[in-house]
Amino acid sequence: GAGVSQSPSNKVTEKGKDVELRCDPISGHTALYWYRQSLGQGLEFLIYFQGNSAPDKSGLPSDRFSAERTGGSVSTLTIQRTQQEDSAVYLCASSLAGTGSSYNEQFFGPGTRLTVL
Amino acid sequence: DAKTTQPNSMESNEEEPVHLPCNHSTISGTDYIHWYRQLPSQGPEYVIHGLTSNVNNRMASLAIAEDRKSSTLILHRATLRDAAVYYCILRGSNYKLTFGKGTLLTVNP
Repeated sequence: GAGVSQSPSNKVTEKGKDVELRCDPISGHTALYWYRQSLGQGLEFLIYFQGNSAPDKSGLPSDRFSAERTGGSVSTLTIQRTQQEDSAVYLCASSLAGTGSSYNEQFFGPGTRLTVL
Repeated sequence: DAKTTQPNSMESNEEEPVHLPCNHSTISGTDYIHWYRQLPSQGPEYVIHGLTSNVNNRMASLAIAEDRKSSTLILHRATLRDAAVYYCILRGSNYKLTFGKGTLLTVNP
């Protein structure tokens, strides 16, 4: 079956512009996560969705970052007024459930590489 | 989240077994031990997980110490495709994965 897909695969933007990154999770997965991986850094958690709600936004680095999920499916991560330090690979993952199931495997998409000039 | 400690890098030869260690001395009784790996230019992928007993699947084996303070991921016959960063992660009821720096595995032909 289809895995997690993300678009675009690459995005180059100028400092100060807004960008939208899209994630299509595996059908039927209620939990969705966004992570970010900066050059030479590990993966850091950004936000978690259970259905359309985001009970944990604690990893969003600033108020320039926001995310939404509609229909319990597609999610969009928006970065406003991009800065050079936002350059990273943004990864989306989904799983059948979130809390209450500590062994639920997370399936990751290929990521969106964002470059802010 | 409880911390894990892994070597920064390891090297192996193709078709030989690889043992990737992970220390987690502050593990709690409800923490599962998960392993993910990240191949170059890809998102992470699940490898295996366990709680107390050793586990086997088609990708690897997980050996868990009796006191659960350490574990070892075993690749029985490394291939070039196994070259990746391997992450050992403790996960209780928390939904998110907390990645450390992992172990970069190099497989020599």
